[in-house]
Amino acid sequence: AQSVTQLDSHVSVSEGTPVLLRCNYSSSYSPSLFWYVQHPNKGLQLLLKYTSAATLVKGINGFEAEFKKSETSFHLTKPSAHMSDAAEYFCVVSDREYGNKLVFGAGTILRVKS
Amino acid sequence: KAGVTQTPRYLIKTRGQQVTLSCSPISGHRSVSWYQQTPGQGLQFLFEYFSETQRNKGNFPGRFSGRQFSNSRSEMNVSTLELGDSALYLCASSLGTSGVRGPDTQYFGPGTRLTVL
Repeated sequence: AQSVTQLDSHVSVSEGTPVLLRCNYSSSYSPSLFWYVQHPNKGLQLLLKYTSAATLVKGINGFEAEFKKSETSFHLTKPSAHMSDAAEYFCVVSDREYGNKLVFGAGTILRVKS
Repeated sequence: KAGVTQTPRYLIKTRGQQVTLSCSPISGHRSVSWYQQTPGQGLQFLFEYFSETQRNKGNFPGRFSGRQFSNSRSEMNVSTLELGDSALYLCASSLGTSGVRGPDTQYFGPGTRLTVL
């Protein structure tokens, strides 16, 4: 069975400092992993996607994530936080056994202080 | 390209009523999936439709149903509404080409906020 654990429910950073949002996954097969972002009262926007190509994945708005199979992790990072990054972030797993079904983590709310 | 659109954006219903939500996918996308988002349970998969057929289903009661039309537009229906059905219902569309290479990317609509009184 697939599952995702986001290790922090809330993360607070100052503007201009690095962002780290942690995610561990469990999957029976080689997983596809995603990070989505949700701003208040909005739908989900795809940040980046890993599908067994390069282990370091670059996404939009300066975000990137590294797939580490040995650690079953897929942490999201950004070198310098911007006020507009404040939102909720979801780590998501899917594998071919389940077709297009996505399994979401509980979410991490990112707060950016000025 | 226009994104995924969902109508209506907001709905208020009372217990026992039924409701129908609509989703129009991105042009060319043949797969539509539905998700329920609540503060307590988070984001949960309801079902996926591809070429007018339900291809995958989550763990929800039979009160939740859906369908897909030949133009790939999809509707979701909830009958005999309960207070716990209050949620944001999100629709996602994709090409529907998931297979050996893994699932394809899903693009989400803004959601329909359902409130059950």
